[in-house]
Amino acid sequence: DAGVIQSPRHEVTEMGQEVTLRCKPISGHNSLFWYRQTMMRGLELLIYFNNNVPIDDSGMPEDRFSAKMPNASFSTLKIQPSEPRDSAVYFCASSEQGPPYEQYFGPGTRLTVT
Amino acid sequence: AQSVTQLDSQVPVFEEAPVELRCNYSSSVSVYLFWYVQYPNQGLQLLLKYLSGSTLVKGINGFEAEFNKSQTSFHLRKPSVHISDTAEYFCAVARSQGNLIFGKGTKLSVKP
Repeated sequence: DAGVIQSPRHEVTEMGQEVTLRCKPISGHNSLFWYRQTMMRGLELLIYFNNNVPIDDSGMPEDRFSAKMPNASFSTLKIQPSEPRDSAVYFCASSEQGPPYEQYFGPGTRLTVT
Repeated sequence: AQSVTQLDSQVPVFEEAPVELRCNYSSSVSVYLFWYVQYPNQGLQLLLKYLSGSTLVKGINGFEAEFNKSQTSFHLRKPSVHISDTAEYFCAVARSQGNLIFGKGTKLSVKP
């Protein structure tokens, strides 16, 4: 299996622009997670989906952030408008539904907002 | 509510020395526990996991962890570290809702 695929790997954008991060989970995995990692705040769970349905989005920092999962093999995380404080590495992870819930992480997208 | 505490944010150690990274968890239900490793500029990679059975769990790269229910601990150990073990290590516990609760991470720095 190719593992979790994220694109782009690096994104540099100007403040105010829309940013879309993409994720393809491992085939057969029913749960998908979006995380953000910064030096200051560490690893934060933003949102997760079970069977394409958002279960918990309490970690989404602001209304500028939105996530969708239109089908079992694709998810997006969108930031509109972007701000410099959104600069971080964004990880997508997937897992099978049901215990033990171990997650497999993608390589991440490094976002820089100038 | 479940939580994970990693007691050391940074652990410096010399090459070939033993190392222990400490992790304590709180959970009122059966636990599934994990250690992940993150090498610089990479994603998190599963190092080992405890599901049930033997309390001593062996993982990749010579690491092992011991589940201690009475002390609610899941410490990670390696008898002899290499420079290549320099990375950040995360302990995690699974929630019944299906997501993981991660600790804040421990940065292991192996010096020659």
